[in-house]
Amino acid sequence: QDQLQESGPGLVKPLQTLSLTCTLSGGSTDSGAHYWGWIRQYPGKALEWIGFISYVGDTFYNPSLQSRITMSIDTSKTQFSLRLTSVTSADTAVYYCARAFGFGVPMDLWGQGTTVSVSS
Amino acid sequence: QSALTQPPSASASLGQSVTISCTGTNSDVGGYNFVSWYQQHPGKAPKLMIYEVTRRPSGVPDRFSGSKSDNTASLTVSGLQADDEAIYYCTSHTDTNILIVGGGTKLTVL
Repeated sequence: QDQLQESGPGLVKPLQTLSLTCTLSGGSTDSGAHYWGWIRQYPGKALEWIGFISYVGDTFYNPSLQSRITMSIDTSKTQFSLRLTSVTSADTAVYYCARAFGFGVPMDLWGQGTTVSVSS
Repeated sequence: QSALTQPPSASASLGQSVTISCTGTNSDVGGYNFVSWYQQHPGKAPKLMIYEVTRRPSGVPDRFSGSKSDNTASLTVSGLQADDEAIYYCTSHTDTNILIVGGGTKLTVL
């Protein structure tokens, strides 16, 4: 059964770069049928879509974050990653990775989430 | 692009039905049949319950159904069970190729 697992630091200092990796187990990330994405959830429970990447590296980013994010994928390792630069306390959230399919990109597989706090 | 509008809370009794709305615009909900609904229990990741407005992933009970009229999508949960108590979020594809999310509706089963 496919599973996703996020990894990365739980604490990042302001203005530094947050780097997270998501590892897929049980399956492959080189399917043209899927997109691989990141979503975050703020402490007040609001969700925000961050972006998607395809297996060939095509990316779709939230315009509000586009200047600060980079997503990449390594299909040989069944991993995809998120980099978020110049973080502030407003980036404190639970970060989820997810698998999406189809043109409307519903997300049918999620990681358990990783909490990231931005603080000095 | 603004977030989708959901009521912050909804409630209904065990065994009854409840409908949660998700309102957008012609550029998202009204323009495409790409609305999804997610259920989230405390401390857990969201779970896909409905996609493409009306379709249920394998394993989701048929007590969950989706519909859309103009710029408003709806999720109906019938035969409410205690475990249906959760926060429900809607999402929609938009005409600028991004995904927008509703603010979430906390469903209480009385």
